[in-house]
Amino acid sequence: QVQLQESGPGLVKPSQTLSLTCSVSGGSISSAGYYWTWIRQHPGKGLEWIGYIYYSGDTYYSPSLKSRVSISLDTSKNQFSLKLSSVTAADTAVYYCARKWYYDALTGRGAFDYWGQGTLVTVSS
Amino acid sequence: SSELTQDPAVSVALGQTVRITCQGDSLRSSYANWYQQKPGQAPVLVIYGKTNRPSGIPDRFSGSSSGNTASLTITGAQPEDEADYYCNSRDRDSSGDHRHYVFGTGTRVTVL
Repeated sequence: QVQLQESGPGLVKPSQTLSLTCSVSGGSISSAGYYWTWIRQHPGKGLEWIGYIYYSGDTYYSPSLKSRVSISLDTSKNQFSLKLSSVTAADTAVYYCARKWYYDALTGRGAFDYWGQGTLVTVSS
Repeated sequence: SSELTQDPAVSVALGQTVRITCQGDSLRSSYANWYQQKPGQAPVLVIYGKTNRPSGIPDRFSGSSSGNTASLTITGAQPEDEADYYCNSRDRDSSGDHRHYVFGTGTRVTVL
């Protein structure tokens, strides 16, 4: 059973960089066929896909956040991380890490099948 | 990128059937996935690839699709089905790359 767990500061000051780590257990982030993903949810709102990373290091980010986002892997620790720079109050949200699983490798179709419990990050001075 | 639109809320009597819809241009070329989210919890995948259920998801959950609309149907709704439901699909960005993902606006299901 794959498990994901987010960790990082719950409070970040405006203009600073938000940094979160997702620890994965029960499976290797170096396995083919999975993209390691960050998703956020503003308070009382819907889900927003941020981006993901493949074990090869290939990344893809939401166009709306691309200029501020970086996702990286640490295979030695079986972790992946999110950095979001120049944060404002609009970045206050619950941040989830998740695994995107290719249920159809030929077409590239996938779904987010395992999620962390989420961590609330508040941007405030 | 396109958007996926859902009705904000629906209600269903206990044991009855409810259909939740998701509309968007991306659904013409990409299958929908559906997630259930209960208060204070992470989303759970309930339907993937338009019609498939992950292991452990009751068979009262089913998915379908036509044109730009995907649907999640709960047949015989139970009290534990009361939750927010989100659709999700791949989307194309302005360069035509379809590795972008988008979520629907969400539907709150109340079981009466």
